[in-house]
Amino acid sequence: QKEVEQNSGPLSVPEGAIASLNCTYSDRVSQSFFWYRQYSGKSPELIMSIYSNGDKEDGRFTAQLNKASQYVSLLIRDSQPSDSATYLCAVNRGEGSGNTPLVFGKGTRLSVIA
Amino acid sequence: DTEVTQTPKHLVMGMTNKKSLKCEQHMGHRAMYWYKQKAKKPPELMFVYSYEKLSINESVPSRFSPECPNSSLLNLHLHALQPEDSALYLCASSHGVFNQPQHFGDGTRLSIL
Repeated sequence: QKEVEQNSGPLSVPEGAIASLNCTYSDRVSQSFFWYRQYSGKSPELIMSIYSNGDKEDGRFTAQLNKASQYVSLLIRDSQPSDSATYLCAVNRGEGSGNTPLVFGKGTRLSVIA
Repeated sequence: DTEVTQTPKHLVMGMTNKKSLKCEQHMGHRAMYWYKQKAKKPPELMFVYSYEKLSINESVPSRFSPECPNSSLLNLHLHALQPEDSALYLCASSHGVFNQPQHFGDGTRLSIL
């Protein structure tokens, strides 16, 4: 089982719709979770961090975490063509894991159609 | 523009050349990272420095040699690279290694002839 799994997409949504991006992780002791946006040819940009169960909202973005289900998601409201990018889910397993501190999923490509 | 600055933005080098990639941050972060990213793949961790000491080396070939001269600077020395080493090289920094978000620079696009 891959450590961090994401649907590679492409996920196509119409402009103005809600885009829902999902991520599951395998290590139950994971403690912090991040979403990065990466435009083609550019570097990853941190857009959300979440550490506890529940929802965290920042502008049009909402991150949701359910540690019992080992599931983290990102909702983008009122999607815009400029949101078209690859979204990377990253999971930090915490000190003492002895391994790579931050594990990335393969990313979901989002396409917002005008 | 990001708060992690990488130079150069692009680099083309032959397999016998020696070059260095540079990374600088002034956010007071004590952890710095080098990643390699190939097209359509996630970043792949190469090295982690924590408080200027190398803490993780992900079995990277010796033709890549990292250096952390001080808490703000991180270098990656390159020698005798192979064509398959062509990639985007990303530097990142964070307050600490664990449970802290990492902030990426714009990267260096490296091409090996």
